[in-house]
Amino acid sequence: ETGVTQSPTHLIKTRGQQVTLRCSSQSGHNTVSWYQQALGQGPQFIFQYYREEENGRGNFPPRFSGLQFPNYSSELNVNALELDDSALYLCASSSPRSKGGELFFGEGSRLTVL
Amino acid sequence: QQQVKQSPQSLIVQKGGISIINCAYENTAFDYFPWYQQFPGKGPALLIAIRPDVSEKKEGRFTISFNKSAKQFSLHIMDSQPGDSATYFCAASSRAAGNKLTFGGGTRVLVKP
Repeated sequence: ETGVTQSPTHLIKTRGQQVTLRCSSQSGHNTVSWYQQALGQGPQFIFQYYREEENGRGNFPPRFSGLQFPNYSSELNVNALELDDSALYLCASSSPRSKGGELFFGEGSRLTVL
Repeated sequence: QQQVKQSPQSLIVQKGGISIINCAYENTAFDYFPWYQQFPGKGPALLIAIRPDVSEKKEGRFTISFNKSAKQFSLHIMDSQPGDSATYFCAASSRAAGNKLTFGGGTRVLVKP
């Protein structure tokens, strides 16, 4: 059973550019969530996808958008990058049988915006 | 805004000692309280979790104590080992809100040999 995998692991962008981050969920998991973790802070919920539909969103502007594909993999897109978008972006997956908040996290994509 | 407040921000403990991390929450709709462990360069990994219908849960050297009336919960790491050195996050979620996790700010634990 493979875990949650994310790509790329590291990337550097400049302010105003756009970025796409990718996530493959754990086998059998149909729900994918994205979190932003700034340096030295706890992860913050961005949004969640279930059956290819957005199923809840945190306090992030519309330039943060996402997709979920039929195989349950997902993308996070961020437009018009700002310096404060520099962070570790974590993808987490869960299944209908997951207990409450039992999420399985990938190792993250570290984004640096210059 | 729903928050989970975590303390201390960091702690140093000798090998064999007890590490204690505390969290407080505001939203009484929260019904699941997990703790995550994160090593540098890695994603958070679920360590142990509790629901509000029990006051304590123990798994190996890790114990969660839960006080529903005070809206507080804590993690105790017994017989701390150097391999326990990591950042620990408490979190909370509710089924009604789709099980989205609200995390505390994290506690960096260093276990000295």
